[in-house]
Amino acid sequence: DAKTTQPTSMDCAEGRAANLPCNHSTISGNEYVYWYRQIHSQGPQYIIHGLKNNETNEMASLIITEDRKSSTLILPHATLRDTAVYYCILRAINTGTASKLTFGTGTRLQVTL
Amino acid sequence: ETGVTQTPRHLVMGMTNKKSLKCEQHLGHNAMYWYKQSAKKPLELMFVYSLEERVENNSVPSRFSPECPNSSHLFLHLHTLQPEDSALYLCASSHLGQTGTEAFFGQGTRLTVV
Repeated sequence: DAKTTQPTSMDCAEGRAANLPCNHSTISGNEYVYWYRQIHSQGPQYIIHGLKNNETNEMASLIITEDRKSSTLILPHATLRDTAVYYCILRAINTGTASKLTFGTGTRLQVTL
Repeated sequence: ETGVTQTPRHLVMGMTNKKSLKCEQHLGHNAMYWYKQSAKKPLELMFVYSLEERVENNSVPSRFSPECPNSSHLFLHLHTLQPEDSALYLCASSHLGQTGTEAFFGQGTRLTVV
């Protein structure tokens, strides 16, 4: 799976939107962009994923550029409970194969009052 | 609550002990995984089981021995571990054969080897 690049850390004021960028310039056509987060000492939690269209669910929005070389995860109204490490992961989808994930170091998001 | 349950949550063991970590899922998934997260390091995939058959073993030392007796249960048997094996061990599960499916993780077992 191709590599992603994320900022090491970011701060966000509570109630404001948190925009977390991810660069994936070598993404392949069959690779999805996945986002997970890990709150301290807990297991990673799935947030959202997309292939080329923008996606939105109850947790976040995912904006993928037209050339698919970068994406942004948006938490529209960050709360203190959103403080976590956020991982942007590329995963090739082949029917019948297991969902192996290659984690990088992610972005540590600190939400402050 | 993700539907993936790991026990115990914390474990302290000596280097000569034998212990087992347990993972259970009732999500109807047919693939299960063990990951290791050492301090200040990214999560590393250790083992992958697909339809109860081990399909990947990422150069993990033989002192770690996985077992998948059925699609709902996964074990990690530990023996003669080293202090550097102290880490958070995470289990995950997912569906096979479906595009765009996500993996669900347990809360992990915090292992300390003394």
